[in-house]
Amino acid sequence: RKEVEQDPGPFNVPEGATVAFNCTYSNSASQSFFWYRQDCRKEPKLLMSVYSSGNEDGRFTAQLNRASQYISLLIRDSKLSDSATYLCVVNKNNNDMRFGAGTRLTVKP
Amino acid sequence: DTGVSQDPRHKITKRGQNVTFRCDPISEHNRLYWYRQTLGQGPEFLTYFQNEAQLEKSRLLSDRFSAERPKGSFSTLEIQRTEQGDSAMYLCASSLDRARVEQYFGPGTRLTVT
Repeated sequence: RKEVEQDPGPFNVPEGATVAFNCTYSNSASQSFFWYRQDCRKEPKLLMSVYSSGNEDGRFTAQLNRASQYISLLIRDSKLSDSATYLCVVNKNNNDMRFGAGTRLTVKP
Repeated sequence: DTGVSQDPRHKITKRGQNVTFRCDPISEHNRLYWYRQTLGQGPEFLTYFQNEAQLEKSRLLSDRFSAERPKGSFSTLEIQRTEQGDSAMYLCASSLDRARVEQYFGPGTRLTVT
């Protein structure tokens, strides 16, 4: 079993749609969690950290369920510019970040 | 631009040759990481430095791979006797020396072994 698992997609949604991505992780001792965004042939860029209480940044909401070892990302009112691959990242300790394979999103006009 | 930089951005080499990549982290970041990413996969951890000390190496890092960070600033990743399976994007990231802290990535070096 992979340490971090994501639905690879692709998710093809119209502009304005709400889309949700899920991620599960296997190591219950994981300490911190992030969502990164990666555009085609570019480096990953931090989208948001994920906190136990859940957090929101504009149209983006991240949730963490430690009991179920599950992380989610919700994108509301999706824009064409949201088209990218979204990487779920779990930090086992201070040094060792494990990336999911990513979920590909395409937002269409 | 004060982000993470990597050089070269692209490298094409013949099988059996040695290659070396360089990473310059964000200046105040003590930690530096190397990852490898292949198509359709997320980045895979290779190795990690805290200042000049290499504290962790993945089992993915075969004996043909070596990384250094001699003065605790820039780092180099060398691959000896390259194989076609080494073709990938090699990403460098850096972070502050704190718990639960995010990493910032450079643009990567795309290696093609022919």
